[in-house]
Parts: sequence; structure tokens; C-alpha cells
Amino acid sequence: RKEVEQDPGPFNVPEGATVAFNCTYSNSASQSFFWYRQDCRKEPKLLMSVYSSGNEDGRFTAQLNRASQYISLLIRDSKLSDSATYLCVVRGLDMRFGAGTRLTVKP
Amino acid sequence: SAVISQKPSRDICQRGTSLTIQCQVDSQVTMMFWYRQQPGQSLTLIATANQGSEATYESGFVIDKFPISRPNLTFSTLTVSNMSPEDSSIYLCSVEDRVQGATNYGYTFGSGTRLTVV
Repeated sequence: RKEVEQDPGPFNVPEGATVAFNCTYSNSASQSFFWYRQDCRKEPKLLMSVYSSGNEDGRFTAQLNRASQYISLLIRDSKLSDSATYLCVVRGLDMRFGAGTRLTVKP
Repeated sequence: SAVISQKPSRDICQRGTSLTIQCQVDSQVTMMFWYRQQPGQSLTLIATANQGSEATYESGFVIDKFPISRPNLTFSTLTVSNMSPEDSSIYLCSVEDRVQGATNYGYTFGSGTRLTVV
């Protein structure tokens, strides 16, 4: 079993749609959680941290359920510029990356 | 957040040769990390480079194939030795970085080196 598993996608949605990504992790001792965004042929960049209380940054909402070892990312009112691969990242002793979920937002 | 300059950005190399990738950070960092990302795959940690000591390699990666240097707190190199087509991948360096407005630490990445071995 992979340490971090994500919806493989791809997700193809129209502009303005709401889309949700899920991620599960296997290491119950994990301490920090993140969503990264990776554009085609670019390096991953931090999108947001994920906290147990849930956190929001504009159109993006992240949730963490430690009991279920589950992380989610919700994107509201999708924009064309949201098209990218979204990586779920979990930190225990080191950082572990999911394989990513590819999102394409279409006009 | 930290700014990392990584080069080369891409290269096409002959099998059997070696390529050295450099990463320069604009601040002093204790650890630097080297990752590989194969097409459609997640990032895989190759090794952790510590200043003043030998790098720590992950399972499946060995020093003879991926020698690492860490001469100071702002610089590191990764060499991909005796390359074969299976080494074609994106190689990324990264450093631990405080998340803006938060108390936890994420990673900031260099722009990556896209390596093709022919």
C-alpha cells in the first residue's frame, strides 16, 4: 500500500464548477499535511497547509480527518488557471508525496 | 520563502556519461533534499544532503550512482553517474521552509532538471 494515495483523476470540469480531491495516508504518526500544486513541466509549489480544524484560502478549502487519515481539497468557482496537478503531501519523519490528481478546467 | 536556483534546467545525455546538477539557496539551510519525479509519478526522495556529513540515501538509491556534495549551507550537487535511459526523469532539489503565516514547515523546490538519456 502506498503511503499517500490520491484520486488518480483526471478531473475535467467546466469553469465555475466545484471540484473535490481526496487523499488518504497510512502513517498515523504524520504531523503536517499540505496540498501542493504542480503545473506542467514546473516544480511543485505549496498551495496550502491543512489543519484539523479545516482551513480556507479564498476559493480553496482543505480538511483533515486524523481519525480516518483522510485529507481533502475543495475548489469552488473553478478558473481556467486552476488547471494543474494537485499533490497531497504528508509529513512524518520526512515528506511523502501522493502521485497527484490532474485537474483540467475548461471554458 | 527560500529561493532556489537549480541548473541545468534540462539536458540530453549519452548513456554511460554523468551529469551534475547544482542547487544554490539564497539562505543557509541545514538539510537539502534531492527528489526524482518520473513521468506521471509522485516525487521519490533520493537522499538528504547534510552539510559536514555524508548524505543519507533512501532505499534503492546508492552513493556510487548518485554521489552528492554539500560543501556549505547554501549549496549542493547531485551527480547522476553512468547514466542509462532508465535515469531519464526530472530531478528536483528542495529545502525545508517555514510556511508563510503558519508555524509548520513545508518544502520549497528548485525549478527542476529534466534529464533525457539517449
